[in-house]
Amino acid sequence: KQEVTQIPAALSVPEGENLVLNCSFTDSAIYNLQWFRQDPGKGLTSLLLIQSSQREQTSGRLNASLDKSSGRSTLYIAASQPGDSATYLCAVRNQAGTALIFGKGTTLSVSS
Amino acid sequence: GAVVSQHPSRVICKSGTSVKIECRSLDFQATTMFWYRQFPKQSLMLMATSNEGSKATYEQGVEKDKFLINHASLTLSTLTVTSAHPEDSSFYICSAPTPFANTGELFFGEGSRLTVL
Repeated sequence: KQEVTQIPAALSVPEGENLVLNCSFTDSAIYNLQWFRQDPGKGLTSLLLIQSSQREQTSGRLNASLDKSSGRSTLYIAASQPGDSATYLCAVRNQAGTALIFGKGTTLSVSS
Repeated sequence: GAVVSQHPSRVICKSGTSVKIECRSLDFQATTMFWYRQFPKQSLMLMATSNEGSKATYEQGVEKDKFLINHASLTLSTLTVTSAHPEDSSFYICSAPTPFANTGELFFGEGSRLTVL
């Protein structure tokens, strides 16, 4: 059974720092991986999607990498801003047509 | 891009009543939708897979008689929480795969926060 783990559970950094959020999954035979942002009491905002054949995806200050063989993904946030404060969720999809399996998230707080 | 809409966004009900949550795909057809539940400070847990024209598939530990799922059309799935109790208070969110690109990306509704008094 696929399990997704995110480390750390919480992270506090000053504005301007570059940071890395980690995600690991137990079954490396995944279809794709998505990173989401969730603000308190809100729904999900999709940040990046990485297909199983890809190594990384970039969007603005965000870069997500995927190492399927080791069951790991990282989300790199450059030059963090207070507006980046949120919970970041990593989720994997084992096969086409199946649901996403989520990690517990990393709650990020960026202070000004 | 694909849009998934949920209604209501918030609902408060008395214990013992039933609550229906709707999930609509606004600009595409979805033969499959996924329903998740999120308790405070917890991650999203898959409850069930809603299949258009057939019975939903429930995850282990989810009571199918309590959480009724109906996927009567290609754009609408509903989740009815029957005889709700305070422990059912949670954030319920649905998702559907986009048909517009062969990426397998899932889009999510805005979520529905249920509070049972």
